[in-house]
Amino acid sequence: EDQVTQSPEALRLQEGESSSLNCSYTVSGLRGLFWYRQDPGKGPEFLFTLYSAGEEKEKERLKATLTKKESFLHITAPKPEDSATYLCAVQAGSNTGKLIFGQGTTLQVKP
Amino acid sequence: GAVVSQHPSRVICKSGTSVKIECRSLDFQATTMFWYRQFPKKSLMLMATSNEGSKATYEQGVEKDKFLINHASLTLSTLTVTSAHPEDSSFYICSAHLGLRGYTFGSGTRLTVV
Repeated sequence: EDQVTQSPEALRLQEGESSSLNCSYTVSGLRGLFWYRQDPGKGPEFLFTLYSAGEEKEKERLKATLTKKESFLHITAPKPEDSATYLCAVQAGSNTGKLIFGQGTTLQVKP
Repeated sequence: GAVVSQHPSRVICKSGTSVKIECRSLDFQATTMFWYRQFPKKSLMLMATSNEGSKATYEQGVEKDKFLINHASLTLSTLTVTSAHPEDSSFYICSAHLGLRGYTFGSGTRLTVV
C-alpha cells in the first residue's frame, strides 16, 4: 500500500535556527514528490516537485532533496513568516494522478 | 497561470440543507479535478476524482449520494453536500491536475453545519 509519513508532527524554531523536515514514502513507482505550504484556512501553495533520487531544488530559504525512500525540506535561517504547515505528497505510478498526502509538519518560527 | 477559484470560502448552513461548492479553472481547462476534505490539524483526505463529462470516482468510505460531484465542463467542477449534518463540517479543497505541470489547489471552503 502506498504510504507517506512526515516527521516531526510539529516543530518550533527560533528565528535563524535552521532545521529539516522529513517525508518518508513507500510507493509503487514514484512519479513525483511534491512539497506544499499551507497557511491556516487556505489551500496548499506549491513549493517544489522532485522526480528522481538525487534531485535537489531551492527557493529562497528552502531546499528540497530526494532519495529513494525519503525527502527532506531544509529550512535555512527561518523567519517568522515561514511559520505554516508543510505538506508532502506523492504521485505513484500505479494510480491515475491521485496524490497521497502525509500528515504534515506544523512549523512555528519565533522571533 | 493555472489558477483555480473556489467559492464560497466560508458557508454556514442548517442541518438537513444542501450546500454547493464550486471550483472554476480560470486560465486553463481542467480535465481532472480532485476533491479533498481536511479535518482540523490533519492532512488532506481524498474524497473523489472527477473527470469532465463522466461520473466521479469516489474513494472507499465516501458516500457518493451525500457528496455529489459534477464536472460538466472543462472549467467547472462542483461538490454538493446533501442533507448536511454537523459531522459534515470540515474544510473542503479542490485541486486540478495539470499533467506534467503538477497540481493547483483552490483556496478551500470552510463548511459549518449548525
